[in-house]
Amino acid sequence: NAGVTQTPKFQVLKTGQSMTLQCAQDMNHEYMSWYRQDPGMGLRLIHYSVGAGITDQGEVPNGYNVSRSTTEDFPLRLLSAAPSQTSVYFCASSPTGTTYNEQFFGPGTRLTVL
Amino acid sequence: AQSVTQPDIHITVSEGASLELRCNYSYGATPYLFWYVQSPGQGLQLLLKYFSGDTLVQGIKGFEAEFKRSQSSFNLRKPSVHWSDAAEYFCADMDTGRRALTFGSGTRLQVQP
Repeated sequence: NAGVTQTPKFQVLKTGQSMTLQCAQDMNHEYMSWYRQDPGMGLRLIHYSVGAGITDQGEVPNGYNVSRSTTEDFPLRLLSAAPSQTSVYFCASSPTGTTYNEQFFGPGTRLTVL
Repeated sequence: AQSVTQPDIHITVSEGASLELRCNYSYGATPYLFWYVQSPGQGLQLLLKYFSGDTLVQGIKGFEAEFKRSQSSFNLRKPSVHWSDAAEYFCADMDTGRRALTFGSGTRLQVQP
C-alpha cells in the first residue's frame, strides 16, 4: 500500500491564482481530513469528510473548498490564493471502527503564495 | 470544543538527560490522545497513543506517556535523550465523531551535546 499520498510536494502561487492540492489513500478509509500547519500554531483542521459525498468544515475553512466523490480521493481547492494561505498542508485518513482511532498522514505540501 | 495545550514552546536538554514534555487536554469525555514527532521539513510520525486501559503507554524510540485524568494531562517522557530526538513534538486529541485531531501548538526540543 502507498498509504496517503499528496501532490505536489511544493508549489508557489501568485495572489489570486487557483489550484488544487491532491490527496489520495489506498487503505479504503472512510474518514479523511485536511490540516494546515503554521509556525507556533500546530496543525489546524480545514475540512474533513466522513465518507464519499459527505464533507464538512473544520476550524479554518475560509478560502478552501473540498469534495469527496470517491473513497480514495479528497482534493483541496484554493479558489483565489492569498498570502495568508502560505503554509504546509497535510492530508490524513482514518478507518472506521471504534477500536482503531488513528490518523494516517501524508507527507505534506508546502505552499507559498506571493 | 476540544483544546490541547502544550505549555512549553521550547525546551533544551543535555544529551543523556531525562525529558518530560507537558500536554493538557480540555475535553471532558474519554479522550483519545496522541503524541507525534516532526523533524525539520518532514512529516508527522506517531510516537504513541492512548485510548483506554493502562494509563502508562509505551511508544517507539524509547518514549512513554502517562495519562492522568485527574490532571487532564498526557505528558511525554524519555529517560535518556539522544541528539537525534531534537525535533518538534505535538500532542493531539481526537474528535471521534469527525475522526479529526485537535493539536497542541507544539514543543520544540533542542538537545545539547
